[in-house]
Amino acid sequence: DGGITQSPKYLFRKEGQNVTLSCEQNLNHDAMYWYRQDPGQGLRLIYYSQIVNDFQKGDIAEGYSVSREKKESFPLTVTSAQKNPTAFYLCASSIQTGHHNQPQHFGDGTRLSIL
Amino acid sequence: GENVEQHPSTLSVQEGDSAVIKCTSDSASNYFPWYKQELGKGPQLIIDIRSNVGEKKDQRIAVTLNKTAKHFSLHITETQPEDSAVYFCAASGTGTYKYIFGTGTRLKVLA
Repeated sequence: DGGITQSPKYLFRKEGQNVTLSCEQNLNHDAMYWYRQDPGQGLRLIYYSQIVNDFQKGDIAEGYSVSREKKESFPLTVTSAQKNPTAFYLCASSIQTGHHNQPQHFGDGTRLSIL
Repeated sequence: GENVEQHPSTLSVQEGDSAVIKCTSDSASNYFPWYKQELGKGPQLIIDIRSNVGEKKDQRIAVTLNKTAKHFSLHITETQPEDSAVYFCAASGTGTYKYIFGTGTRLKVLA
């Protein structure tokens, strides 16, 4: 089945540690996104990528980094510079048409907690 | 900054009744998707509408758009317990990949 796979489902981070969240899609989508979800808030955009080897900062990029070496993969690293990393992280993808907005399809998320 | 207001934050209805969730966008948007999120899962697209359409319906779900006033609403008729979830609206403008999400509505359908 085509879809977006996020792993792990749960992740724990120690103080001063970097952790990487995986996102893989087999939908052949060009664009991929990372969002952060906190209780009682909407989704906030961390980074997005429209094409391989290119990505842009979203609204809350500080303390995070990404790479897009393959079309299928868009890993997110939560660095030690992110002082409040506890949240639910969602990855999404969409086709890219350049004109009309297209629906974003989401994975089932990774819940990150601080030890 | 860009913002989407969503109301109510919680909504309880009796099974079989209708539910309405309202959103307002303060920016120039032309695409309005709606998502349903169940506990521990990612949001699932349930319906979307573009600015050249005033209303769209898919079985028990409908979305209306008043583009002049920047209001858009989700209507669920004949609600069922499995409709219980958190619903998010979003807005996006032409040529941008950025969605602005509302803060969500927790819908409870009481059997």
